[in-house]
Amino acid sequence: KQEVTQIPAALSVPEGENLVLNCSFTDSAIYNLQWFRQDPGKGLTSLLLIQSSQREQTSGRLNASLDKSSGRSTLYIAASQPGDSATYLCAVNELGVYNQGGKLIFGQGTELSVKP
Amino acid sequence: SQTIHQWPATLVQPVGSPLSLECTVEGTSNPNLYWYRQAAGRGLQLLFYSVGIGQISSEVPQNLSASRPQDRQFILSSKKLLLSDSGFYLCAWGRGNSPLHFGNGTRLTVT
Repeated sequence: KQEVTQIPAALSVPEGENLVLNCSFTDSAIYNLQWFRQDPGKGLTSLLLIQSSQREQTSGRLNASLDKSSGRSTLYIAASQPGDSATYLCAVNELGVYNQGGKLIFGQGTELSVKP
Repeated sequence: SQTIHQWPATLVQPVGSPLSLECTVEGTSNPNLYWYRQAAGRGLQLLFYSVGIGQISSEVPQNLSASRPQDRQFILSSKKLLLSDSGFYLCAWGRGNSPLHFGNGTRLTVT
């Protein structure tokens, strides 16, 4: 059974710092891995998607890496800003029938607070 | 462009009452559809997912059920709500290697 773990559960940093959020998963048979942001009381917003054949994806100040063999992904946020404060979740899209994706399993999330 | 609609935004229901939450997707066809629940301070728990009409996979034993009567419609139901059914319910759609897109969620309080 796939299990996704995120460390740390919470993180508080001063504005301007670079930071790394960690995600690990137990079964490397994945279709892709996705990182999301959730603001309090809101739905989730997709940040980055890394296909199983890729090593990393970048969008603006965000960079996500994937090491499928070791079951790890990291989300790197450069020059953090107070507006980055939110909960960040990673999700693994498991390989399903016909090698297509289907079932996404989420980690518990990392609650990030960036202090001005 | 694709959009996902989920309603209602909030709901307060007494224990033992029925439940029906609806989710519809526009601008795409044959999407994968998902229902997740998020309890306070916890991650997202996958409840049901569907890769096609009439194809529902249940992930967690519970008194909830899901149906997909049309290609872009996904319904979460219960005949009798329990206190433990309270939570934030999120519908989502995705396909292949595209990111998962979420609705705005329904906050359900069972009293």
